[in-house]
Amino acid sequence: NAGVTQTPKFQVLKTGQSMTLQCAQDMNHEYMSWYRQDPGMGLRLIHYSVGAGITDQGEVPNGYNVSRSTTEDFPLRLLSAAPSQTSVYFCASRPSGAYEQYFGPGTRLTVT
Amino acid sequence: GENVEQHPSTLSVQEGDSAVIKCTYSDSASNYFPWYKQELGKRPQLIIDIRSNVGEKKDQRIAVTLNKTAKHFSLHITETQPEDSAVYFCAASVRSGGSNYKLTFGKGTLLTVNP
Repeated sequence: NAGVTQTPKFQVLKTGQSMTLQCAQDMNHEYMSWYRQDPGMGLRLIHYSVGAGITDQGEVPNGYNVSRSTTEDFPLRLLSAAPSQTSVYFCASRPSGAYEQYFGPGTRLTVT
Repeated sequence: GENVEQHPSTLSVQEGDSAVIKCTYSDSASNYFPWYKQELGKRPQLIIDIRSNVGEKKDQRIAVTLNKTAKHFSLHITETQPEDSAVYFCAASVRSGGSNYKLTFGKGTLLTVNP
């Protein structure tokens, strides 16, 4: 199993551009989530999904959209990038009913 | 919502010494408390976790204690080694319906183990 994968590893955007961060898992996990990590701030939940077709907002959802059309994929869309969205983004997954989350390798995003 | 405070933000110890990191949480309904280790440029990895029905859990040199009354939990690392150097995050979970829960993370502790 590849586990949780994320692409790209690095991305530089200009203010106002849009893009999609990809996340996929091959463990048939129902629960997937997106976090952002900023220096001194820990990990903050952006959006999460409890299964295909079901998504909900986390702690810091503004400026981001998600969808979950399949169990495997959970893309994160930045609609109009802002410098405040410069961060490292982690995707995570876990089976429904289990506690342990599995994190992807992260995407480092810089918005200029 | 849940609020998790973590202290200290940085911790420097000599190799072989013990290290203790403490976290407090605000929501008495929280029932799951994991600890993650994150090396520079890497993803967070779970190192130990504890449920609210347990007061202490050990795994070799690592232990976690939980005081539900005081709403705090701690990570203890004994006989520290240079490879323990990393950022450590605590987290607390609150159920958000059914089998779902949300994790709230502390801001992290940078542990440096000096040889």
